[in-house]
Amino acid sequence: DSGVTQTPKHLITATGQRVTLRCSPRSGDLSVYWYQQSLDQGLQFLIQYYNGEERAKGNILERFSAQQFPDLHSELNLSSLELGDSALYFCASSVTSGDYNEQFFGPGTRLTVL
Amino acid sequence: EDKVVQSPLSLVVHEGDTVTLNCSYEVTNFRSLLWYKQEKKAPTFLFMLTSSGIEKKSGRLSSILDKKELSSILNITATQTGDSAIYLCAPRSGAGSYQLTFGKGTKLSVIP
Repeated sequence: DSGVTQTPKHLITATGQRVTLRCSPRSGDLSVYWYQQSLDQGLQFLIQYYNGEERAKGNILERFSAQQFPDLHSELNLSSLELGDSALYFCASSVTSGDYNEQFFGPGTRLTVL
Repeated sequence: EDKVVQSPLSLVVHEGDTVTLNCSYEVTNFRSLLWYKQEKKAPTFLFMLTSSGIEKKSGRLSSILDKKELSSILNITATQTGDSAIYLCAPRSGAGSYQLTFGKGTKLSVIP
């Protein structure tokens, strides 16, 4: 158990819908990262937040958005869902101190878009 | 665009064999390289490498970074069935950002 929690574990929805994935980082970690893992693309970085502020953006679609709240939990919002958005979504957190950046991954949310 | 290539993509070995997994990368402002093991769940951290030529070891696993060749290897000796997993390499790039770029992984299958 990494200490990172994600809810829900599974989500099944229809095309065009909107969903929210939630992540609570490890105690003391200020950085939260979101990743998407699909069979053909592998594990892809979406976005990073550090202490409530966006720090880095990866291959995140405009239909997707995220935020980190004052209590450091984070939410990833996916809207106008398409079949291709079906994937495993991971959240990771890290201390982020100097060059030390071990990212701890949560168990993931499996999203199925029908 | 940052690139990470892992080889081989998959590997089947017998228990007791030694394996070497390769990772080559092209990233801007390289800072460090991380190795993760992924079974049927979230990736778990194995090693972080920042300096060239210094081997990191943990039990039967070891890893080394070659900054000149922009590559890293992960060795597993005396493999066990519990080593069966996907091994992911992820260089970290960018000052101020801790973004990891993951390779597609090497799927290792260890058969008894």
